[in-house]
Amino acid sequence: DVKVTQSSRYLVKRTGEKVFLECVQDMDHENMFWYRQDPGLGLRLIYFSYDVKMKEKGDIPEGYSVSREKKERFSLILESASTNQTSMYLCASSSPTGTTNEKLFFGSGTQLSVL
Amino acid sequence: DAKTTQPNSMESNEEEPVHLPCNHSTISGTDYIHWYRQLPSQGPEYVIHGLTSNVNNRMASLAIAEDRKSSTLILHRATLRDAAVYYCILGRRGGSQGNLIFGKGTKLSVKP
Repeated sequence: DVKVTQSSRYLVKRTGEKVFLECVQDMDHENMFWYRQDPGLGLRLIYFSYDVKMKEKGDIPEGYSVSREKKERFSLILESASTNQTSMYLCASSSPTGTTNEKLFFGSGTQLSVL
Repeated sequence: DAKTTQPNSMESNEEEPVHLPCNHSTISGTDYIHWYRQLPSQGPEYVIHGLTSNVNNRMASLAIAEDRKSSTLILHRATLRDAAVYYCILGRRGGSQGNLIFGKGTKLSVKP
């Protein structure tokens, strides 16, 4: 089975801190994604990446950046954490588009609290 | 982007079939219909997807209306483990899977 692993299940940070959320997948997937999930708002796409060193903005990229130096690893960076970034963060990966097996595989999520 | 409409919540009894409806009246010809579910304290997981024909897999069946403006996810025998939020999503083949827009979904409760 595909495994998408997020480095932390729970994280507590202070306002203004730089925060790194790490995600690793073990199925050689080209595509990787970061979402945040908030009550009543569903999942919203922050950034995604089609390949190493490539990134695309999603619907809500403000306040975030990403890094993809290796195919298996996709990092989400909060340059200066704010309280409105308190949320559940979900990483996902998928096989290349156009294949017959297009599915998103999600990690278990990181619940980030910014105090 | 085409949107989907799902009931906020549904209830089912254990070991009975469950039919989860989804309306997508503005679906385009190239939109696939995807279903994911999210168990408590977990990330979403893929359930099934289809384009025009009904689809079956080990988890569920997907029934697609002839005009494709609606679809139904069928769980043939609900178990307690099927209690989750079910998302019906439209996505274009050839586009990024990141273009799957997750709405609020249907929260399914399963009673023993």
